[in-house]
Amino acid sequence: TQLLEQSPQFLSIQEGENLTVYCNSSSVFSSLQWYRQEPGEGPVLLVTVVTGGEVKKLKRLTFQFGDARKDSSLHITAAQPGDTGLYLCAGAWSNSGYALNFGKGTSLLVTP
Amino acid sequence: ETGVTQTPRHLVMGMTNKKSLKCEQHLGHNAMYWYKQSAKKPLELMFVYNFKEQTENNSVPSRFSPECPNSSHLFLHLHTLQPEDSALYLCASSQDGLAGGNRYFGPGTRLLVL
Repeated sequence: TQLLEQSPQFLSIQEGENLTVYCNSSSVFSSLQWYRQEPGEGPVLLVTVVTGGEVKKLKRLTFQFGDARKDSSLHITAAQPGDTGLYLCAGAWSNSGYALNFGKGTSLLVTP
Repeated sequence: ETGVTQTPRHLVMGMTNKKSLKCEQHLGHNAMYWYKQSAKKPLELMFVYNFKEQTENNSVPSRFSPECPNSSHLFLHLHTLQPEDSALYLCASSQDGLAGGNRYFGPGTRLLVL
């Protein structure tokens, strides 16, 4: 099983601040996904990135896929309490078969 | 009902009990999955069914037994579990079983084994 490293593990910020979380692997991804999981619920897909250097925006969230397709970042602008949750990245590699491997996640708390 | 539903949402069972978790997807997908989510660990893939056929079993102990009667329903039968099996069990579906396919998750069953 190839590993995804996510950082930071925990992040506590105040409403209105900006933040970036990271996802890294030593292997090249064929695709990478970001999910958000709220307490008591299952993960919800935010975005899928496939092409190196790709940037996707979802309202205040900006997702970037590294040129070498080994890393990705999620930037949130002007965080709101509703952004609180566990942010998971999940990667597929060319030899991963049916498996989509998940990182441990970044737990984000945004306080008013 | 829309999306992926799971029942029960919470379950407490003794080590000698037998129980089943149920998952249903209303998305017309062909692949379904069971994942285990424990504190401080990544989501662990347990089982994959693609077009009702089991295609992956990630060295899961035999006390967990999956069943997929059709492409919309997935069960996880539990018997003689251990306390370390306490976790959130998530069901997911995707259009097909490819690794890069988008996963649609249910809300999970929070399981406590006493």
